[in-house]
Amino acid sequence: GAGVSQSPSNKVTEKGKDVELRCDPISGHTALYWYRQSLGQGLEFLIYFQGNSAPDKSGLPSDRFSAERTGGSVSTLTIQRTQQEDSAVYLCASSARTTEAFFGQGTRLTVV
Amino acid sequence: AQRVTQPEKLLSVFKGAPVELKCNYSYSGSPELFWYVQYSRQRLQLLLRHISRESIKGFTADLNKGETSFHLKKPFAQEEDSAMYYCALTPWGQGAQKLVFGQGTRLTINP
Repeated sequence: GAGVSQSPSNKVTEKGKDVELRCDPISGHTALYWYRQSLGQGLEFLIYFQGNSAPDKSGLPSDRFSAERTGGSVSTLTIQRTQQEDSAVYLCASSARTTEAFFGQGTRLTVV
Repeated sequence: AQRVTQPEKLLSVFKGAPVELKCNYSYSGSPELFWYVQYSRQRLQLLLRHISRESIKGFTADLNKGETSFHLKKPFAQEEDSAMYYCALTPWGQGAQKLVFGQGTRLTINP
């Protein structure tokens, strides 16, 4: 079966432009996470969706960041007016009733 | 609040030497603890979880509730163990819940 899929794999954008990153979780997984992994840094939690509950947005670094999850499946992370410090690998993960999280391969975002 | 602390950002040991990656946590309830690993150019993946009490790739980790620790150990390091390791916590017994990760430890095994 397919794992967590993220697109695009790589994205280069100009400073000030908006970007959308997509995550297709494993079918049936109720929980979905977004993390950011900067060069040489650990995992930075961004946002967490669980079923129909209100998302936990406590990790979003600024109001330029937003995310939605449509139909309890696909999620899109949007970064508006990108800045150079937004350059990182953005990871998506999903999990089912068990607690193991399955990660996607990530989207490498470069803001030039 | 849940928190996971990995005090070492970098750890370097020689092949054949013992390895211990430290993880401490703070959580008022009963936690479920994990170690995740990311090898070069691969996805982040689960290595082991405390409830399974397994040894995976020679690694073990024991939950010490008194010391609130979940250190990862291997008696004899191998070069293929070089990777980024993350300790993570979630509330116990509540199904899929938010995972809280530590900052990670980059382990390098020198030949």
